[in-house]
Amino acid sequence: EVQLVESGGGLVQPGGSLKLSCAASGFTFSGSAMHWVRQASGKGLEWVGRIRSKANSYATAYAASVKGRFTISRDDSKNTAYLQMNSLKTEDTAVYYCTSQRWLQFDYWGQGTLVTVSS
Amino acid sequence: QSVLTQPPSVSAAPGQKVTISCSGSSSNIGNNYVSWYQQLPGTAPKLLIYENNKRPSGIPDRFSGSKSGTSATLGITGLQTGDEADYYCGTWDSSLSALFGGGTKLTVL
Repeated sequence: EVQLVESGGGLVQPGGSLKLSCAASGFTFSGSAMHWVRQASGKGLEWVGRIRSKANSYATAYAASVKGRFTISRDDSKNTAYLQMNSLKTEDTAVYYCTSQRWLQFDYWGQGTLVTVSS
Repeated sequence: QSVLTQPPSVSAAPGQKVTISCSGSSSNIGNNYVSWYQQLPGTAPKLLIYENNKRPSGIPDRFSGSKSGTSATLGITGLQTGDEADYYCGTWDSSLSALFGGGTKLTVL
């Protein structure tokens, strides 16, 4: 059974940092690109960024809204992807999902972890 | 404001058919596959349709997808109350960054 389990969410002050984790099981994690997608309360899905596999040089890409503040990484030995979030703003408040990419679609999603940026 | 445009809401009676549109441009839908995701209340999104019109294992054939030019459509027949959810289209832009539509809330009256 495929599982993606996010963790690390919580309350953080504006300007602070937080690191989310996404633990994967049940599929070939090392061969999959991993993405982060967020959803503010009552709003739609917003793509945050992705990291490709080792075969694709672990290439990363980010949405303009988070570029320069967020960093995606992965540890294939632990089947885990990470989202390091720095210089957090109130508008970063959302549920953050990790999702795996197969071909050109997102086939599996985690349950999400809530990040609240507030003073 | 999403690059992909979906109607905010649609509704239909149980047993009826509904369609949800997703409009983009030549730089996204026009040159890429479209996927559809279903998000039931309080849950994570789930892949419903991929590569414009293919269904993952376990998705009933009541759900269908199509694409023409720079637009895509999700169709649901034989509506059930359990189909009440938010539906999102997704595709890619020219730099292979992911794009999502704004979402459509389906109400089964």
